[in-house]
Amino acid sequence: DTGVSQNPRHKITKRGQNVTFRCDPISEHNRLYWYRQTLGQGPEFLTYFQNEAQLEKSRLLSDRFSAERPKGSFSTLEIQRTEQGDSAMYLCASSLGGVVAGTFGPGTRLTVL
Amino acid sequence: SQELEQSPQSLIVQEGKNLTINCTSSKTLYGLYWYKQKYGEGLIFLMMLQKGGEEKSHEKITAKLDEKKQQSSLHITASQPSHAGIYLCGADRRGGGADGLTFGKGTHLIIQP
Repeated sequence: DTGVSQNPRHKITKRGQNVTFRCDPISEHNRLYWYRQTLGQGPEFLTYFQNEAQLEKSRLLSDRFSAERPKGSFSTLEIQRTEQGDSAMYLCASSLGGVVAGTFGPGTRLTVL
Repeated sequence: SQELEQSPQSLIVQEGKNLTINCTSSKTLYGLYWYKQKYGEGLIFLMMLQKGGEEKSHEKITAKLDEKKQQSSLHITASQPSHAGIYLCGADRRGGGADGLTFGKGTHLIIQP
């Protein structure tokens, strides 16, 4: 069990650029969650996958945000046309069965200049 | 308004002293999760409480959920420098997992030697 991994750990981009983050969950976990955390706040739920199906995406912050989980394994979160307000830590979590959110990854810190 | 209120927002405690962190919801919860976060890092799962009146302990940390499942407390006995960090409570409001967790803003704990 190598835990949940996220790449990159840090990303600095210019406003208007597209960015993509990757999350590799624990291999046997069928649930995968994406959260966003801004300074001084708790994580904010964005989207949820059960296997490859995206069962909740209404919380994605705008249509600039999209997420995929092909084949029910790793997941990607893409932000198009980044804005300075997108600067935050993006966290991924995975779990098995009835546990809502068990293991979190180390996060990807995004800075938009 | 914040669905989960944590108190205090920050806490400075002398090493060896006991402390309590509270988490309050205006609505009955399906489950309550406690996490610890080091600054700039991912979340570490501590405990999950689902039954009214439930109490769980791990090493020197004890968490309780009240009978109405609207308030939880986290108690640390004989605090150590390793306990320093941000403590977050997360609520599972509906069960099923599709909504992820709703988090409080966190309690910043500093342990003074």
